[in-house]
Amino acid sequence: NAGVTQTPKFRVLKTGQSMTLLCAQDMNHEYMYWYRQDPGMGLRLIHYSVGEGTTAKGEVPDGYNVSRLKKQNFLLGLESAAPSQTSVYFCASGRSSGSSETQYFGPGTRLLVL
Amino acid sequence: DAKTTQPPSMDCAEGRAANLPCNHSTISGNEYVYWYRQIHSQGPQYIIHGLKNNETNEMASLIITEDRKSSTLILPHATLRDTAVYYCIVRIKIKAAGNKLTFGGGTRVLVKP
Repeated sequence: NAGVTQTPKFRVLKTGQSMTLLCAQDMNHEYMYWYRQDPGMGLRLIHYSVGEGTTAKGEVPDGYNVSRLKKQNFLLGLESAAPSQTSVYFCASGRSSGSSETQYFGPGTRLLVL
Repeated sequence: DAKTTQPPSMDCAEGRAANLPCNHSTISGNEYVYWYRQIHSQGPQYIIHGLKNNETNEMASLIITEDRKSSTLILPHATLRDTAVYYCIVRIKIKAAGNKLTFGGGTRVLVKP
């Protein structure tokens, strides 16, 4: 049981390049989330998904797209990277229990945009 | 979601109990209190959550006041590995909207030998 895994762990991009971050979970969770964390700050929600084939915008969605074609995978895409997207990206999946939910986070992807 | 207020930092002696306070005076009746922590450079880790009653698990205890306007996370025997930023989050779960967590500044806890 690997939990939540993220690929890649670290990436350097040039401005204007594109890339896709992959998040995978093996816990059969319905909900999945993408957050970003800038230095010294808390996490901010980019996009989330409440089930396979559905996605929704979070707090800071501009410049990102997501897809959830399979329940276990949640992809985050940067179509044209900008230096402002330099950050650490965390994926999480959620387990529902009645009216509450617990989220489990991946180890993060460190992205540097030059 | 209700706003939470936490002290920005606190120190704790190794082996002693660490008591982390959180104020959430605008909490509504169906909002849960969650605690997560983030050890340097790692993803946040779930610790515990509660609605009204006090809760305990293998990691910590959560004490919620009777009026639910504040809570305290207790790490019974702090170790050096408990050094982290601790986040108190209040959230209602909405099935159609998932459970979007709003991370504030948290409390930076330093456990000293």
